[in-house]
Amino acid sequence: GQQVMQIPQYQHVQEGEDFTTYCNSSTTLSNIQWYKQRPGGHPVFLIQLVKSGEVKKQKRLTFKFGEAKKNSSLHITATQTTDVGTYFCAVDPLHEMGNQFYFGTGTSLTVIP
Amino acid sequence: DTGVSQNPRHKITKRGQNVTFRCDPISEHNRLYWYRQTLGQGPEFLTYFQNEAQLEKSRLLSDRFSAERPKGSFSTLEIQRTEQGDSAMYLCASSSATDSFNTEAFFGQGTRLTVV
Repeated sequence: GQQVMQIPQYQHVQEGEDFTTYCNSSTTLSNIQWYKQRPGGHPVFLIQLVKSGEVKKQKRLTFKFGEAKKNSSLHITATQTTDVGTYFCAVDPLHEMGNQFYFGTGTSLTVIP
Repeated sequence: DTGVSQNPRHKITKRGQNVTFRCDPISEHNRLYWYRQTLGQGPEFLTYFQNEAQLEKSRLLSDRFSAERPKGSFSTLEIQRTEQGDSAMYLCASSSATDSFNTEAFFGQGTRLTVV
């Protein structure tokens, strides 16, 4: 079955430091999405990546899709306390029927003021 | 339209009882997903619909779970003979994906099930 691992599982940073989470799939992907879930909240869509090697930026957030379309990363520059939450990748496997997407294990980010 | 709505928000039930949850997606969305999430874990895919058709169901889902979307609008998720291991947050999401492509999914607030 589809396996989606994210590392690290937890990350504590001082406010102003950078943060990166990595998402690795066991199979080639059609596309990948990233979501953020605040404590006690529900997942909120951040971005979708489709093309091999694609890079997208949203203010302090940079998203990358690997050349082989099996991995992705999310980098946050100069973290703020509002960045606190768990970041999930959600993958759509290329060779699987249907368009369901599977969530990774998540990286929980704590920002220390 | 205020987004994806799930009811009830919380449900406490005794082991062995049946429970049903409802999800009202964003009105123009053709795709509806059900996920289950336990503390510290990512959402686990359960099933999804394209309009009224249930296109995929997780192999991990036991026969005690059934979902419907009779008119391609709202959906219900029923769990029969609940077990303590069913305790989790049940999330519904909807999107306006095309036949071959995913798009942004909007999640509801979830229904938190506690089986005692």
